[in-house]
Amino acid sequence: DIQMTQSPSSLSASVGDRVTITCRASQTFSNYLNWYQQKPGKAPKLLIYTAFTLQSGVPSRFSGSGSGTDFTLTISSLQPEDFATYYCQQSYTTPPTFGQGTKVEIK
Amino acid sequence: EVQLLESGGGLVQPGGSLRLSCAASGFTFSSYVMNWVRQAPGKGLEWVSYINGNGDTTYYADSVKGRFTISRDNSKNTLYLQMNSLRAEDTAIYYCATAHSTAWYRFIYWGQGTLVTVSS
Repeated sequence: DIQMTQSPSSLSASVGDRVTITCRASQTFSNYLNWYQQKPGKAPKLLIYTAFTLQSGVPSRFSGSGSGTDFTLTISSLQPEDFATYYCQQSYTTPPTFGQGTKVEIK
Repeated sequence: EVQLLESGGGLVQPGGSLRLSCAASGFTFSSYVMNWVRQAPGKGLEWVSYINGNGDTTYYADSVKGRFTISRDNSKNTLYLQMNSLRAEDTAIYYCATAHSTAWYRFIYWGQGTLVTVSS
């Protein structure tokens, strides 16, 4: 199985900050990398797919980059509604696997 | 509007069985592959199972293989997960999620989840 490792596991940031979350895979798989946002008590929501493609309706302050084994989710200017847990996920092979999550908290 | 509504969760003893359902609406159900993804309390996301549009291809996580069975009834727009020989470690919120037939594991829409608790 492909192991996905996110860093950091949690971070504290202020509204307006630029936030970067990284995701490293245990093996290369081109750009079959997705990012999800999950708020407490809610289902995950697809934010970005194929590493950098914004899902319809997702604000442009979210962006994704990377390829191979190293990927990044960036929030250019953190908004109050962005405080949540973010997961990366590889969709390259079975089983699809998720990172352990990064919790973004209010500083 | 796409809607996925899970049901069937609850408290079950170790070794018991439960069948989850996911009622779909707002899209052509048979054209989409479906997956189950679970989340143990306070933990991350774990993929459980996949089924293609006509139901003749399925995949399972090693942790549930041989105990869980995924199926679908396209005439009822409903996805199922039959869970047997349940263990404490199966305790989780179970989500159904859609994906395109060309991107099996890009989980586009999710249900609200149903909680399964395995405990004596």
